[in-house]
Amino acid sequence: AQTVTQSQPEMSVQEAETVTLSCTYDTSESNYYLFWYKQPPSRQMILVIRQEAYKQQNATENRFSVNFQKAAKSFSLKISDSQLGDTAMYFCAFVDRNRDDKIIFGKGTRLHILP
Amino acid sequence: SAVISQKPSRDICQRGTSLTIQCQVDSQVTMMFWYRQQPGQSLTLIATANQGSEATYESGFVIDKFPISRPNLTFSTLTVSNMSPEDSSIYLCSVVGLRQETQYFGPGTRLLVL
Repeated sequence: AQTVTQSQPEMSVQEAETVTLSCTYDTSESNYYLFWYKQPPSRQMILVIRQEAYKQQNATENRFSVNFQKAAKSFSLKISDSQLGDTAMYFCAFVDRNRDDKIIFGKGTRLHILP
Repeated sequence: SAVISQKPSRDICQRGTSLTIQCQVDSQVTMMFWYRQQPGQSLTLIATANQGSEATYESGFVIDKFPISRPNLTFSTLTVSNMSPEDSSIYLCSVVGLRQETQYFGPGTRLLVL
């Protein structure tokens, strides 16, 4: 079975610091996508970043970047220069392109950015 | 990305009643999904809403409890039937667009059953 594991239920960092959220996944497939979604207190699910498994280059979106280690099945999210607005629940997610785009979510990491 | 709206945004319902949640997208999409997020939990897929045919339900979810319609490529409804307090959750729809492989989510419907 395909699974996504986030080993950090909760984290706190000071504003302007860098923080890394961990995610590992398990699959035997080769054609898949990985995502990080953010869910702030408003409950809206917001796409943070996306990584295609066939791409070796790590995805980057402004202050957000990933460290994609395909052999290790690891997909961590780094947030640089963290801001108060980054306070949210962060979900790592996996999509097997051969299974009708169904997302498998991790249990989430609650991130607190402290002033 | 698609703009997705859900109605209602929140509701408080009595046990035994039913609520229909609407999901509207501003462009045609290939896939539409319905999720449930119980308090403090991750998202759980309820079903895939298929255009013009019966929805495909995940294990643990049945059509009698969660009937779904998708009459066209931009609209779907989820009904939560014969509600109990255990149905209190956030219900979210998501879509995958015609030229993209990413799921985007609606703002969610917060349901409280008394």
